[in-house]
This record gives sequence, structure tokens and C-alpha cells, in this order.
Amino acid sequence: GEDVEQSLFLSVREGDSSVINCTYTDSSSTYLYWYKQEPGAGLQLLTYIFSNMDMKQDQRLTVLLNKKDKHLSLRIADTQTGDSAIYFCAESIRGGYQKVTFGTGTKLQVIP
Amino acid sequence: EPEVTQTPSHQVTQMGQEVILRCVPISNHLYFYWYRQILGQKVEFLVSFYNNEISEKSEIFDDQFSVERPDGSNFTLKIRSTKLEDSAMYFCASRGDREPEAFFGQGTRLTVV
Repeated sequence: GEDVEQSLFLSVREGDSSVINCTYTDSSSTYLYWYKQEPGAGLQLLTYIFSNMDMKQDQRLTVLLNKKDKHLSLRIADTQTGDSAIYFCAESIRGGYQKVTFGTGTKLQVIP
Repeated sequence: EPEVTQTPSHQVTQMGQEVILRCVPISNHLYFYWYRQILGQKVEFLVSFYNNEISEKSEIFDDQFSVERPDGSNFTLKIRSTKLEDSAMYFCASRGDREPEAFFGQGTRLTVV
């Protein structure tokens, strides 16, 4: 079954890069997602990658996938105070009804 | 940009009462989901719905829960007799055919007192 693990907390200074890490267990054809949740708000899909890709870049966001180690990371360049939020790594198996399995979430604190 | 909308944003109910949480998924989406997030915990899958029937459900989704798509646009989650431990944020999500992205609503915070 699917299981997704993340570290709970990350603190960075404004302007630095943030790297949020995640490990997943499912070895099927998988989509891997990063969602952002601001305090009291919903889940915003930031980006996703398919498990046959190594990297995806979208403006300040870079997703790296190490398939061998089942390790996913999200790098946020030039981190801003508005990036402070909880970031959820998630996966779903391609095909079928594709429920999303979430990690525990990493709380990113950006220090001005 | 199309979005998933949920109402109400916050619902307070007494233990034992029935509640209905409402969602309007993105039009032309075919797959619908409910998730919940107990305060401070991870987001948990409850149920998926496709072609007017439940396609998958978790252990959490017991006989107290039901889902319905009554009119082709709304998607509802009913809890028949709420318990204190049902207090959580409930998220609705929808997904298009052959599309990997699941889009989530802003959530309904349910407080059972």
C-alpha cells in the first residue's frame, strides 16, 4: 500500500532556497504531487511529476525524483515570507480511481 | 480559473445530529472525492465516486457516512449521527478524465459539540 513520509518542520531565511523532502513506498506507476496549505485554507496543487521523470521545473519550484530511493524533493528558490505554509507530498497510482495519499506535511517557516 | 467550491465554510453541530456537507466540483470532471483532516494531522482519504457510485472507500467511511450526487452538479457528504471525533476539516476534490491533477476545495470545518 501507499505510504508517504516527510519531515515535520523546516525553517529558512527569506531569500534562501528551501528544500522539502519526502519518501514514498508505492512502486507502481505513480503521480507524485506537492500541495501547499496556508493557515486555515484549502489544498493548493503546486506541481506534480510522473514517476518516470527525474525533474520538473516551474518558475521558482524544482521537483527532483530519485526513483531508486523513492525520494522526492521540492526546492523553492528565493523563498519569500508568502511561502510560509504546510507543504504536503502526495502520491496516486496511475489509472483506476486515483485516490491521493498524503504525507504528514512539512511546515515551512520563512524568517524575514 | 475553474475551482471546487464547498459550503458551508464552517459548521457547528451537536453530537448525534445529521450534517450534510456540500461541494460543487469543477464542471466536466468525472471523479469526485472526499477527504478529511483532523486538526494537526494528515489529510486522509474517505471516499471516491465515479459514474454515480462509490468506487473506493476507506475504513473511516463507515455506515454513518454517505455520498450523493443529487443533481449532476452538487456532490454531498452526509454524516448521519455525528460524533465528537468527526470534528475535522472536510475537503472535496474532483478530477477530469485521464487527468492526473486532483483539485481541492477550500474545505468545510466541522465542529461537533
